[in-house]
Amino acid sequence: DGGITQSPKYLFRKEGQNVTLSCEQNLNHDAMYWYRQDPGQGLRLIYYSQIVNDFQKGDIAEGYSVSREKKESFPLTVTSAQKNPTAFYLCASSIFSEAFFGQGTRLTVV
Amino acid sequence: GQQVMQIPQYQHVQEGEDFTTYCNSSTTLSNIQWYKQRPGGHPVFLIQLVKSGEVKKQKRLTFQFGEAKKNSSLHITATQTTDVGTYFCAARSLEAGGTSYGKLTFGQGTILTVHP
Repeated sequence: DGGITQSPKYLFRKEGQNVTLSCEQNLNHDAMYWYRQDPGQGLRLIYYSQIVNDFQKGDIAEGYSVSREKKESFPLTVTSAQKNPTAFYLCASSIFSEAFFGQGTRLTVV
Repeated sequence: GQQVMQIPQYQHVQEGEDFTTYCNSSTTLSNIQWYKQRPGGHPVFLIQLVKSGEVKKQKRLTFQFGEAKKNSSLHITATQTTDVGTYFCAARSLEAGGTSYGKLTFGQGTILTVHP
C-alpha cells in the first residue's frame, strides 16, 4: 500500500521539551515537505528537501529542525525555541506534479 | 520569496449556488495547483495548470490559469454539501537551471460552507 505516513496522530508536549514528528513515504519521491497549519492561516512551509542529505528552510523555520538521511524519511523536530508550537503539522512528498500529504500530527503543548 | 494570495478567506453559500475562489501572485508562476481539504482531513490534489490561459474542467469544477500566469481561479457550479472544505492554490517554484522543482507555496485557502 503506497503512501505517506505520519505518526503519531496526536502528540502532547510539556513546555520546554523537544519533540520529533515522524514522516515516512514509500512512493519513491525525491521531494518532501513539512507544513504547519493554524486556523485561518493556510499551510505555511517549515522545511523542504529535494534530495537525501539536503534540505532548505521554508518561510517559518525558526524553532524547528529536520534531517534527511534516507529518501523515505523526513522527521521534524519541534524544539523548545519554538514559542508557539501548538498546531497541526502536515508532511508531504512529491516528484514534479502533485504533492501527497500524510494524515497530519496534531501537537498540543500542555 | 514567492507568495500567492488567495481570496476570499471564507465563503458561505446556499446549496445550488455557484462558488469561486481566486489566487493571485505578483510574479509569473511556472504552474499552479489546486487542493481540497475536507474538515478534519488533509489536502488532496485536484489539478495542475501549466499553460498560459489554460482552462480545465472536472465535472462541476472549472479551473483557469491567467494569460499572464499570475492568477488562477476555481469555480464550482451548483454547489453541493459534499463540496464543503478548504480550497487551496499552490505554486511550485522552478529551481535555478530549471531542472527540478523545489519550494511548494500554498495560498491561505478559502473555507467553503454550503447550507442545505
